[in-house]
Amino acid sequence: GQNIDQPTEMTATEGAIVQINCTYQTSGFNGLFWYQQHAGEAPTFLSYNVLDGLEEKGRFSSFLSRSKGYSYLLLKELQMKDSASYLCAVRGGTGNQFYFGTGTSLTVIP
Amino acid sequence: DGGITQSPKYLFRKEGQNVTLSCEQNLNHDAMYWYRQDPGQGLRLIYYSQIVNDFQKGDIAEGYSVSREKKESFPLTVTSAQKNPTAFYLCASTLDGTYNEQFFGPGTRLTVL
Repeated sequence: GQNIDQPTEMTATEGAIVQINCTYQTSGFNGLFWYQQHAGEAPTFLSYNVLDGLEEKGRFSSFLSRSKGYSYLLLKELQMKDSASYLCAVRGGTGNQFYFGTGTSLTVIP
Repeated sequence: DGGITQSPKYLFRKEGQNVTLSCEQNLNHDAMYWYRQDPGQGLRLIYYSQIVNDFQKGDIAEGYSVSREKKESFPLTVTSAQKNPTAFYLCASTLDGTYNEQFFGPGTRLTVL
């Protein structure tokens, strides 16, 4: 089966750095994806990792260790608008599907 | 302007009625997906289609049906057999190939009264 785990909730201060972890166990691996979802809206793509290491995109970075089944999303210089749910998804399985975690609800406080 | 459209944004139906949710994309994507999202839960896959006239069941297909007669369109029917149909429904698409991300439509919030 497929299993994606991430913390349910996190709180961080405006201007700080926060790290959201994701661990996974899947049959087959074709990439790990991070999405941001504001309440009542569709998820928007943030980043993806296929190879081990760090991918940086502005204030957002994502790290992957395939041997450990582990990824994290790093958000720097937090802004109030970063308050949202962050979804970790792994692509794999027989149908090359996307498997989503339950999401981490991040609250940024002043 | 390319993207995925879903209509309507909000939908209300009486219990026992079938309802069809629309999903159209003009991104020329091969694969399309339907997800259901409930409060506090992640996205759960209902159906997906990797090519026209072919589709596969996801993890929670019972009570739902789909068709893929055109590449651009992937409508989802919520039948009366679905026991708890009230949810937020998201349609997504992706290019064929392994490392492409999914693009999502704006979603339809279905409420069954």
